[in-house]
This record gives sequence, C-alpha cells and structure tokens, in this order.
Amino acid sequence: RKEVEQDPGPFNVPEGATVAFNCTYSNSASQSFFWYRQDCRKEPKLLMSVYSSGNEDGRFTAQLNRASQYISLLIRDSKLSDSATYLCVVIGTLNTGFQKLVFGTGTRLLVSP
Amino acid sequence: DGGITQSPKYLFRKEGQNVTLSCEQNLNHDAMYWYRQDPGQGLRLIYYSQIVNDFQKGDIAEGYSVSREKKESFPLTVTSAQKNPTAFYLCATQLKGVAKNIQYFGAGTRLSVL
Repeated sequence: RKEVEQDPGPFNVPEGATVAFNCTYSNSASQSFFWYRQDCRKEPKLLMSVYSSGNEDGRFTAQLNRASQYISLLIRDSKLSDSATYLCVVIGTLNTGFQKLVFGTGTRLLVSP
Repeated sequence: DGGITQSPKYLFRKEGQNVTLSCEQNLNHDAMYWYRQDPGQGLRLIYYSQIVNDFQKGDIAEGYSVSREKKESFPLTVTSAQKNPTAFYLCATQLKGVAKNIQYFGAGTRLSVL
C-alpha cells in the first residue's frame, strides 16, 4: 500500500460548484498533515495545515479522520483560479528515524466557466 | 527580495556530464531539502540538511551529491551515475521548531538530458 494515496482526477467542475477531495494515508502514527497547491510547471505552495479539529480558511475546509486514516479538502464556490493540482502531504519516517514529508501524487482540479 | 532562489530554471545535461543545481535562501531557515518530481509521481526526497556542514541521504540519493558549507546555500550535483536525471528538481526550506514541518519551495529547476 502506498504511504499516501490520492485520486489523480481530473475533477472537472463548473464555476461556483463545491468539490471535495480525499486522501488516504497508511502511517497511523502520522501527526502532521497538509494540503499543498501546485500550478502547472510551478512549485508546490502550502494551502493549509490540517488540524485534528478540522479547520477552515475562507472557501477551503480541511478535515482529518484518524480512525479511517484519511484527510479531506472541500472547496466551496469554485473559482477559475482554483484550477491546479492539490497535493496531500503527511509525515513519514525514513529508515534512519528522520521525519520527512510524504507527498501524494496529487488530484487535478479543472474549473470551467 | 526574500525567499528561495533556484538556478538555473532550465538545465541540459550531456551524457557523462556532472551538473550542479543552485539553491540559495535568505529566510534564515535551518533545514534545507532537495526533491525530485517526475510526471505522475509524488515528490521524492533526495538529500536533506538540518544544520550547516551536515547532510543526510533521503530516499533516492544514488547518483546525487550535496554540500552545506553555508546556511544559505545547499547545491545539488547530479552526477553521471544518475542514469535517469530528467525531472523537475525542487529545493525546500524549513524553520525548525516554529510551524512544525511546514516546508517552503523554490521555483524549481527542470533538468533534461541532451
């Protein structure tokens, strides 16, 4: 099983729609979770951290379900500018014991007029 | 202008050649990382450095080398031993302690083989 799994999409939605992505992770000991956004041929940029209690930032809501080992990202009132790839990131461990970030392959979102 | 600067933006390597990718930061972040991104794959960790004069191998270090002589700089050399170097290379930094585990990325270098 992959450490982090995401549906690659693409998710095609019209402007104004609500869309949700899930991401599952295999390491039950993971303590930190993030969503990054990556535009085509650009670097990833932090969208939001994911807290145990869930958190909201404007149109974006992130949730963590530890029992089922998944995190979710909900985008309300989609804008054309939300078109991007959304990367799910969890904490993993190298065989040296060093904590590293483990990136999913990303979910592509396309918002159309 | 603060941030993480990677150069060059595009790089072409001839067979048998070593090439060096630059990563400079003025954020005063302690830790620096190199990742490789291939189409359809997540970012994979090549090397990381938590303090000056110290660095460690990540998941895919074979064919790569790094140095960390200054806090601000963490260059990556892609050696001729790396047989499939074509990829998007990303440098990241992290401030230890505060905002735990959040990493910030440079704009990346696209490496292609001639």
